[in-house]
Amino acid sequence: DGGITQSPKYLFRKEGQNVTLSCEQNLNHDAMYWYRQDPGQGLRLIYYSQIVNDFQKGDIAEGYSVSREKKESFPLTVTSAQKNPTAFYLCASIGQDFYNEQFFGPGTRLTVL
Amino acid sequence: QQQVKQSPQSLIVQKGGISIINCAYENTAFDYFPWYQQFPGKGPALLIAIRPDVSEKKEGRFTISFNKSAKQFSLHIMDSQPGDSATYFCAAGPHFNKFYFGSGTKLNVKP
Repeated sequence: DGGITQSPKYLFRKEGQNVTLSCEQNLNHDAMYWYRQDPGQGLRLIYYSQIVNDFQKGDIAEGYSVSREKKESFPLTVTSAQKNPTAFYLCASIGQDFYNEQFFGPGTRLTVL
Repeated sequence: QQQVKQSPQSLIVQKGGISIINCAYENTAFDYFPWYQQFPGKGPALLIAIRPDVSEKKEGRFTISFNKSAKQFSLHIMDSQPGDSATYFCAAGPHFNKFYFGSGTKLNVKP
């Protein structure tokens, strides 16, 4: 998947718990993104970061938080404030050549029990 | 308001046939129109993309047709193969930071 790893592949959470999804890339890309995918729907942007120690909210940031302490890593925390967290979460990174250097990770499927 | 509308939701094509997936967008400021291919349980992969200064782009069996005045673009898969069976997403936007994705088309190519 183009040098992006996400872990874990499957994650189960009890209601009221925070969970953190990992995203690591070895592509030396500055820009990283988190998307949420629900069945029958397109991808929706949660957060993105274009540089270390800086990140911006996407369209559905409520109930999520991120950090970008290292260029290679962009973890996403799904907090208990996210009312409907069960979904497939995708991380992506973009290179300097935006039109050709777009890579998505393999995804993490989060299920709230 | 849905910024990008994709159809059909699902598509069944015989091997060797042509698969056609359509998308329509609202915002005339959009200037980048990619298509992504996603296999079950995997992340999407960029398949082919077009800018509005051209009306068609072809890469192998995959062609994007773009109609700026109608605000529509489509993906054509020629000589469709069972290995093409996947979900296809269109997207549109001024930049990856502000992409709007279609709802996806599940393609099934029958052998």
